[in-house]
Order: sequence, then C-alpha cells, then structure tokens
Amino acid sequence: QKEVEQNSGPLSVPEGAIASLNCTYSDRGSQSFFWYRQYSGKSPELIMFIYSNGDKEDGRFTAQLNKASQYVSLLIRDSQPSDSATYLCAVNVYGNNRLAFGKGNQVVVIP
Amino acid sequence: GAVVSQHPSRVICKSGTSVKIECRSLDFQATTMFWYRQFPKQSLMLMATSNEGSKATYEQGVEKDKFLINHASLTLSTLTVTSAHPEDSSFYICSATRLLASNEQFFGPGTRLTVL
Repeated sequence: QKEVEQNSGPLSVPEGAIASLNCTYSDRGSQSFFWYRQYSGKSPELIMFIYSNGDKEDGRFTAQLNKASQYVSLLIRDSQPSDSATYLCAVNVYGNNRLAFGKGNQVVVIP
Repeated sequence: GAVVSQHPSRVICKSGTSVKIECRSLDFQATTMFWYRQFPKQSLMLMATSNEGSKATYEQGVEKDKFLINHASLTLSTLTVTSAHPEDSSFYICSATRLLASNEQFFGPGTRLTVL
C-alpha cells in the first residue's frame, strides 16, 4: 500500500463551483498533513496544513482531517481559473521529518 | 519569511559532464534540506535528505555516488549530478524545514536540467 494515495483523475469544475479533493494515508502515526498546489513547470507551494481532526478554513480553502478513517480532504469554494493546477497531498512520516507525497490531482476550472 | 532559492533555474549540459545545483534558505536557518526529482506529469520523488554537517540519507534506488549532496551550512545545500546522462534530465527541486516548524517544507523554485 502506498503511503499517500490520491486516486481521483483530473477534476473539471465550472468557475464558481466547489472542487473537492481526497487523500488517504497509511501511517496511523502521522501527525501533520499538508496540501500543496503546483502549477505546470513550477515547484509546489503550500496552501493549507492541518494537524487536528475536523475542519480548518483559510479563505476559499477548507481542509478536513479524519484520523480514525485516515483521510484528509481539500475543498476549494468559488473556484477560479487561477485555481487550475495539480494539488498534492503530503503527510509526515512518523519518526522523522520526511513528507510522503501523493501523486497529485489535476484540477481544471472552466470559465 | 521562509524563502528558498535555487540556482541555476535552468541548465543545459553535455552528456558526461557534472552539474551543481545550489539550494539556499534566504531568511531562516534550515535544519534539514530535501532534494526531489520530478519527471513530466509525475509526482515528486524524494532523492535524499540532508542535515547540516552530516552525510545525506539517500532513498532506495538513488545512487549516492552519482548524486552528491553537500550541506555545508544551515543555509546552503548543493546537489551535484556527476557524469550526467540524458536520462538524468528532469526537474530538480529542493525544500527546507525550519527548526520547530512541524515538518512544513518550503520549496525552492526548482532547476530544470537538460542533458544533451
């Protein structure tokens, strides 16, 4: 089993709609969870982090964490064309400071 | 704060030559730096983890004699691709963590390496 899985294919959403991304992880000891955004040809940039169960909101972004079910999700409200990118889920590896990354989900916001 | 730079941003070299990539934390001291490689349309692949003043820890399958990492100070790590070949062409990205910053990694802008 991969450490971090993002299984959804490319996600197309109309402008103004909600984009929903999911991620599952295998290490029950993980404590830190991150969502990075990566534009084509660029390096990842951090958009959200979450450490506790529940929801965390930051502007149009909401991260949701459920440690019992080992999943973390990201909601993007009022999607904008500038949100079109690949979103990477990352989870810390228990016992060291390495992050395990999912393969990413591509989001395309259609004007 | 937490800005990471990389130099060069783009490099083209001939097969068999060596290429050095620098990663610097500009406004913080980086306890740990990471080197990733990313091929087109694929996710980040961690190559190695380096801590200042100690040997880098390489991921399985990454040749330590080919990808030399030096972490000489708390603000600078270098990756040298030795005897580069076309299959080493990739996007190389470094990241850094701050002391007491809970695993958050700050990424550099990346270096696009093309080996002819």
